[in-house]
Amino acid sequence: DAKTTQPNSMESNEEEPVHLPCNHSTISGTDYIHWYRQLPSQGPEYVIHGLTSNVNNRMASLAIAEDRKSSTLILHRATLRDAAVYYCIFRSYNTDKLIFGTGTRLQVFP
Amino acid sequence: EAQVTQNPRYLITVTGKKLTVTCSQNMNHEYMSWYRQDPGLGLRQIYYSMNVEVTDKGDVPEGYKVSRKEKRNFPLILESPSPNQTSLYFCASSLLNHGGSGYTFGSGTRLTVV
Repeated sequence: DAKTTQPNSMESNEEEPVHLPCNHSTISGTDYIHWYRQLPSQGPEYVIHGLTSNVNNRMASLAIAEDRKSSTLILHRATLRDAAVYYCIFRSYNTDKLIFGTGTRLQVFP
Repeated sequence: EAQVTQNPRYLITVTGKKLTVTCSQNMNHEYMSWYRQDPGLGLRQIYYSMNVEVTDKGDVPEGYKVSRKEKRNFPLILESPSPNQTSLYFCASSLLNHGGSGYTFGSGTRLTVV
């Protein structure tokens, strides 16, 4: 199964943009890139997903490299409620399976 | 409200006493899955189902059973729980469309087996 690589932790100040990187050099051409976040004591929450083009929604933006070997989740203005573990994941075209890595723990300071 | 509902939220049981954790979704999703989350090991898939009466093993299926008799329900059954099944469990559902849809997760069930 394809794997992703993320930094263990990142820090940000409130109201600043946050760029969370993810490397996925083994991704196949048909696998979607998904991002989820998990707040303490809660289930993972869907953030955004994409295949090749950059994507925007009300929560975040997803920038996908042209060669698809990396992507970046962008939180435009971090809030204290954005402090969570962020997972960059493949969703397999063939099995629809989500394979979680260890994620990036984001700390947001006032 | 679109959601995945798991019950119970917390459960303490004794070794060997059969238990069922229920999972229900109201979004007409074909795909449902169970994960367990353990410190240092992250989220690992136990079983998944692509539709009614279609289930398959995930990465850590030993000691668990599932069934999918109705589209909305996907219970997780522990026939003879053991302490190494103490964990935080999540049920999730999604449309089935080759990876192009997000998962919705339940709030979790914290199981302790003594």
